[in-house]
Amino acid sequence: DAGVIQSPRHEVTEMGQEVTLRCKPISGHNSLFWYRQTMMRGLELLIYFNNNVPIDDSGMPEDRFSAKMPNASFSTLKIQPSEPRDSAVYFCASSTSGPGAFFGQGTRLTVV
Amino acid sequence: DQQVKQNSPSLSVQEGRISILNCDYTNSMFDYFLWYKKYPAEGPTFLISISSIKDKNEDGRFTVFLNKSAKHLSLHIVPSQPGDSAVYFCAASYSGGGADGLTFGKGTHLIIQP
Repeated sequence: DAGVIQSPRHEVTEMGQEVTLRCKPISGHNSLFWYRQTMMRGLELLIYFNNNVPIDDSGMPEDRFSAKMPNASFSTLKIQPSEPRDSAVYFCASSTSGPGAFFGQGTRLTVV
Repeated sequence: DQQVKQNSPSLSVQEGRISILNCDYTNSMFDYFLWYKKYPAEGPTFLISISSIKDKNEDGRFTVFLNKSAKHLSLHIVPSQPGDSAVYFCAASYSGGGADGLTFGKGTHLIIQP
């Protein structure tokens, strides 16, 4: 298996633009997580899905952030409109019932 | 308010010696603890975990110790090798670390010196 696949790896966008980050979880994994890493706050859980259903989105910072999981093999995290303070590395991870989650390589987002 | 704390941003250890990384938590509801390792430009990779019903778990050179009364856990790496140089994250979970999200510490950058 190729692991968790995220795209793009790097994204540079102007303030106010819409940004969409994509994630393909490991086949057979029924939980999917979106995390954000910043210097100030470290790794934070934004939202997670179980069996494609959003379970907890309390970590989503603002209404500008939204996430979807239309099927078991794809999820998106959208920021609209983007702001400079959204600049961070965004990780997607997936897991089964066992301990731990498998992370993708992340998307480095820069909003200028 | 941080529920998982790693108070040492960095740690330098000589190759062959023992590396000890520490982690404290505040929420007594956590029932599973994990350590992740992260290299630059890569995602975190799962290293080792421990359930709250145990006080020690060992996997090769890596051992995690849990002291529930002190709400403290530590990761021991012995002997330390150059490839161990990375950022190590402590994480905690309410549900065995699988279905629910993880709460992470800010990480400790371990540097193994030759």
